[in-house]
Amino acid sequence: EPEVTQTPSHQVTQMGQEVILRCVPISNHLYFYWYRQILGQKVEFLVSFYNNEISEKSEIFDDQFSVERPDGSNFTLKIRSTKLEDSAMYFCASTEGTQYFGPGTRLTVL
Amino acid sequence: DAKTTQPPSMDCAEGRAANLPCNHSTISGNEYVYWYRQIHSQGPQYIIHGLKNNETNEMASLIITEDRKSSTLILPHATLRDTAVYYCIVRDQSYNTDKLIFGTGTRLQVFP
Repeated sequence: EPEVTQTPSHQVTQMGQEVILRCVPISNHLYFYWYRQILGQKVEFLVSFYNNEISEKSEIFDDQFSVERPDGSNFTLKIRSTKLEDSAMYFCASTEGTQYFGPGTRLTVL
Repeated sequence: DAKTTQPPSMDCAEGRAANLPCNHSTISGNEYVYWYRQIHSQGPQYIIHGLKNNETNEMASLIITEDRKSSTLILPHATLRDTAVYYCIVRDQSYNTDKLIFGTGTRLQVFP
């Protein structure tokens, strides 16, 4: 069964560093998303992406965040200068109707 | 904000049916009811969705009331591996880019 994959599973970084989280969506899907979940809190929408551009973004998705589909398979989330409060699980999802989620990347900012 | 209301927690004995309720009194005609679950901090797992008819798949059954203001997810024979947080979400499927808005869900504990 096709699935969304994410790498790395865990990323540890120093505050102020740039990180790139990677996702491989399900191959025939055209709509992609990033969500995050701070420990003990709800899953929150960050951004949706279609046809090589952002469709919608939340208030969380400020200028420190960017997304890209650099090739036909990868979908990335970049955080330019990480803050302590960016520590969270980051989930990628893709859809052609029903959204399917990846296993997540745990980002720890020290 | 989430447009659904769910009890914060429920218990179920292993092997028994787990019935998880959800209220969505402001649901509109275009909106589907989706159920996901999250085991520990894993990615949310899709379970089932429906518009107005009852639905069944290999994981669960979804019962939607005739007025569509509430629904029940049924796990017919709960196992310990079904212990998770279950989310009921309404979503307008007219727009494929429509984000999912998660609430706090129901924490289901299945006990031996």
